[in-house]
Amino acid sequence: QVQLVQSGTEVKKPGASVKVSCKASGYTFGTYGISWVRQAPGQGLEWVGWINPYNGNTNSAQKLQGRVTMSTDTSTATAYMEMRSLTPDDTAMYYCARDQAGGWAFDIWGQGTMVTVSS
Amino acid sequence: QSALTQPASVSGSPGQSITISCTGTSSDVGGYKYVSWYQQHPGKAPKLMIYDVSSRPSGVSDRFSGSKSGSTASLTISGLQAEDEADYYCSSYTSINTRVFGGGTKVTVL
Repeated sequence: QVQLVQSGTEVKKPGASVKVSCKASGYTFGTYGISWVRQAPGQGLEWVGWINPYNGNTNSAQKLQGRVTMSTDTSTATAYMEMRSLTPDDTAMYYCARDQAGGWAFDIWGQGTMVTVSS
Repeated sequence: QSALTQPASVSGSPGQSITISCTGTSSDVGGYKYVSWYQQHPGKAPKLMIYDVSSRPSGVSDRFSGSKSGSTASLTISGLQAEDEADYYCSSYTSINTRVFGGGTKVTVL
């Protein structure tokens, strides 16, 4: 079946970087965009960014531009989200989600990766 | 890009209908047909319930419906059931090729 499986829990110190992976299966990876969404504890959803695995085009939320990089490895059908210069405000559950074909909704979600930033 | 505006909470009794609003601007909700809604139960990943303002994915109950007027989109849940108790988020495509979410609405079944 179609699924996205993410990497495990991360604990980082302020100023460090984190790279979260999202492995896709059950569909043609290059055909659908992958977005990243985060959710701080007890808070709402926040869109982080997006990548088109077919051509590598990306875009990210203005407040995160310069700190976040999205990439893919089409040979393993895996998407990555790297965030640098982490602060405690980046503590959140990070989800990858597949963009719906021909649209902009998120139709398949990963299970989430908890990233904790603490000294 | 500011978050879309949703009421913090909405409640209803079993069998009733409730409506959740999602207000944006002409640069997001008002400018495109790409409004979607997500249901999230505690500790779970969100689930797509409505896309393109009013379309339902396969497998989603027809008790869920969506609409839009101007810069405000709405999600209506008819025949409210205990299992509908969850957080609901709207999302929209934006004029700068990004996505934006609403702050979320907690639905309580009385």
